[in-house]
Amino acid sequence: QVQLQESGPGLVKPSDTLSLSCGVSGVSRVSFPNYHWSWIRQPPGQRLEWMASISYSGHTDYNPSFQSRVTISMDTSQSQFSLRLISVTAADTAVYFCARLNHLRFDVWGQGTVLTVSS
Amino acid sequence: QSALTQPPSASGSPGQSVTLSCTGSSSDVGGYQYVSWYQQHPGKAPKVLIYEVTKRPSGVPDRFSGSRSGNTASLTVSGLRAEDEADYYCSAYAGDNKYVFGSGTKVTVL
Repeated sequence: QVQLQESGPGLVKPSDTLSLSCGVSGVSRVSFPNYHWSWIRQPPGQRLEWMASISYSGHTDYNPSFQSRVTISMDTSQSQFSLRLISVTAADTAVYFCARLNHLRFDVWGQGTVLTVSS
Repeated sequence: QSALTQPPSASGSPGQSVTLSCTGSSSDVGGYQYVSWYQQHPGKAPKVLIYEVTKRPSGVPDRFSGSRSGNTASLTVSGLRAEDEADYYCSAYAGDNKYVFGSGTKVTVL
């Protein structure tokens, strides 16, 4: 069974850089390249927002709303991928989900990690 | 990227049907066969109910069905059950490897 698990700091200060990781389990090395891996966030009481996706080969795609601040990366040896978001503000307070992108649908999600931006 | 438009709320009694709409543009909902729907219970991760406009993943009851007309996609929940009370989000491929979500609809089972 495919499982994704996010990890993050929980609390960061304004202007800091946020780093999140997502561990992937239950996906064979043979099938891992078949998917893209994504980060999606949800501010409190608001809609889901796609942030970025990365392929096994390292090809990246970004939501233009974040493109100047966000970097997604993959460590295939560790079966995990990460998100880096610079210059965070209170508006970046959200639940951050990692998800598997399978044929243009997000079919497996992590449980989400809560991030609060506050001094 | 503009969010897709969904009505903020919908409701129905147990056993009834409810149809949720998701309006976008020819650049997303109407432009590709890649509209998906997600159910999210409070404090939980979303779960995919429908993909490629009309397809259901294995394990999703056939009470959930999807359709599209022009730039508007729809999700119909038939035979409403108490456990269907949740937030529902649509999502669409917007070209150039970009994705957009809807504003979400909260479904209440009366």
